[in-house]
Amino acid sequence: EDQVTQSPEALRLQEGESSSLNCSYTVSGLRGLFWYRQDPGKGPEFLFTLYSAGEEKEKERLKATLTKKESFLHITAPKPEDSATYLCAARTGNQFYFGTGTSLTVIP
Amino acid sequence: ETGVTQTPRHLVMGMTNKKSLKCEQHLGHNAMYWYKQSAKKPLELMFVYNFKEQTENNSVPSRFSPECPNSSHLFLHLHTLQPEDSALYLCASSQYRTDNEQFFGPGTRLTVL
Repeated sequence: EDQVTQSPEALRLQEGESSSLNCSYTVSGLRGLFWYRQDPGKGPEFLFTLYSAGEEKEKERLKATLTKKESFLHITAPKPEDSATYLCAARTGNQFYFGTGTSLTVIP
Repeated sequence: ETGVTQTPRHLVMGMTNKKSLKCEQHLGHNAMYWYKQSAKKPLELMFVYNFKEQTENNSVPSRFSPECPNSSHLFLHLHTLQPEDSALYLCASSQYRTDNEQFFGPGTRLTVL
């Protein structure tokens, strides 16, 4: 069964405390692994697309990596404005499978 | 702002009411989507329109009825809903159905009493 699982469900970090969010996927024929950020009261905002194992992408304090079974979103020296829910999704064919998200809170 | 707007932002309705959700995209995209987001659940794709034609209906109950009069506008007509239909309804668009990057609107928070 195609599915995406994210962990942890919630994460609280002190400002400056680096950590990683995990996205495990089991899909046949991966055509892309996506990361989104969702703020309260808003829709998801696209962050990254990764296509193949070993690929990495960076944006400010965020770096996304991909292996054959999982993706990680590394957050380096987070700031309170990084607080949000981070969603990942895997695409196979024209189907997108979303995870349930990791709610990140960064405490000043 | 992502270029995708949704109205209303909040809606409370009774089980016998009829209401509609509206989505408009200002990006010149050709594909539009309705998603349902419930607490602790993954986003569920409900409907897909590509060049105004409905191409996907993911086993959505008939009490949800989509309409796409043109490539910029998408509606979701609601009637005789159930309390379990309470959720955040998100509209999204992409240049083409095959594109990876989707742009989401802010959503309509629906509560069914």
